[in-house]
Amino acid sequence: QKEVEQDPGPLSVPEGAIVSLNCTYSNSAFQYFMWYRQYSRKGPELLMYTYSSGNKEDGRFTAQVDKSSKYISLFIRDSQPSDSATYLCATGSGGSNYKLTFGKGTLLTVNP
Amino acid sequence: DAGVTQSPTHLIKTRGQQVTLRCSPKSGHDTVSWYQQALGQGPQFIFQYYEEEERQRGNFPDRFSGHQFPNYSSELNVNALLLGDSALYLCASSTGTTDTQYFGPGTRLTVL
Repeated sequence: QKEVEQDPGPLSVPEGAIVSLNCTYSNSAFQYFMWYRQYSRKGPELLMYTYSSGNKEDGRFTAQVDKSSKYISLFIRDSQPSDSATYLCATGSGGSNYKLTFGKGTLLTVNP
Repeated sequence: DAGVTQSPTHLIKTRGQQVTLRCSPKSGHDTVSWYQQALGQGPQFIFQYYEEEERQRGNFPDRFSGHQFPNYSSELNVNALLLGDSALYLCASSTGTTDTQYFGPGTRLTVL
């Protein structure tokens, strides 16, 4: 079992739709959670950072973490064609473990 | 404020050759991590450098080595290249005391 599982999609939605992207993880030691957006042939861009359980909102983006079920989500409201990209979830343990563990990424297309 | 920069952008090598990739961290950052991203996959952690020392390593063979310079820039060296080393190599920078990692645009390595 991979440490972080993410449905690779692809996911295609009309402009203005609410998008839900999800990951599950298996390692209880993971303490912080991130979402990155990656455009084709570019490096990942940090979108959201959440420490432990709870919600975090930034504009049209909301990140949710449920540590009891080991489930993390990213919601995009009023999706735009410019949101078309691959979305990667990432987790880390903190302390002396510095690496990020990523999901495979979900390819999202927002159609005008 | 310059973000993370990487060079070169693209590289083509043949099996058995050696390659060196370079990274300059974001201003104010002193820690550099390297990741390998195969096509259709999430980034995989190679290693992290802090205070010119490798302080954590992922599951990569000794053919992968690195260095960090006093100005915090870093190099990734790969010896005896294999076809399977073809990937996007990403550099991420952070500070030694925070979890958030910011990625550069990557170097796309093709091994023929």
